Amino acid sequence: QKEVEQDPGPLSVPEGAIVSLNCTYSNSAFQYFMWYRQYSRKGPELLMYTYSSGNKEDGRFTAQVDKSSKYISLFIRDSQPSDSATYLCAKQGAQKLVFGQGTRLTINP
Amino acid sequence: DTGVSQDPRHKITKRGQNVTFRCDPISEHNRLYWYRQTLGQGPEFLTYFQNEAQLEKSRLLSDRFSAERPKGSFSTLEIQRTEQGDSAMYLCASSLASQPGNTIYFGEGSWLTVV
Repeated sequence: QKEVEQDPGPLSVPEGAIVSLNCTYSNSAFQYFMWYRQYSRKGPELLMYTYSSGNKEDGRFTAQVDKSSKYISLFIRDSQPSDSATYLCAKQGAQKLVFGQGTRLTINP
Repeated sequence: DTGVSQDPRHKITKRGQNVTFRCDPISEHNRLYWYRQTLGQGPEFLTYFQNEAQLEKSRLLSDRFSAERPKGSFSTLEIQRTEQGDSAMYLCASSLASQPGNTIYFGEGSWLTVV
């Protein structure tokens, strides 16, 4: 079993829709959880990180961690075509990141 | 631009040749990481440095791979006797150890194609 599991998609939604991206993880010895956005043939760009459980909001993006169920979510409100990218969840512990497979998201105008 | 810089961005090489990638981290960052990413997969950890000390290496880092960070600033990743399976994007990242959550910032990557 991979430490971080993420549905690779692809996921395609119309512009303006609310997008929900999810990951599960298997090792509880991690405290920080990250979401990165990666455009085609570019490096990952940090979107948000959260510590412990709960929600964190930044503009149209909300990151949520549920440690009891080992579930990580990213919500995108009012999605835009420019949000089309691969979204990577990651957990951080022992000095390094462990990534999920990434979900490829397309927002259709 | 004060982000993580990688060079070259693209490299095509013949099987059996050696290649070297360079990474310049964000200037005040003392940690530097190398990751590898293949198509459709998330980045996989290879190794990391704190200042000039290489503190951890993944089992993915075979004997043909070597990384250095001689003065605690830039780093190089060398792949000897390249194989087709080495074709991937090699990502460098850096962080400042004292930051909350040790936030890790990535460069744009170096694409390697072995033919």
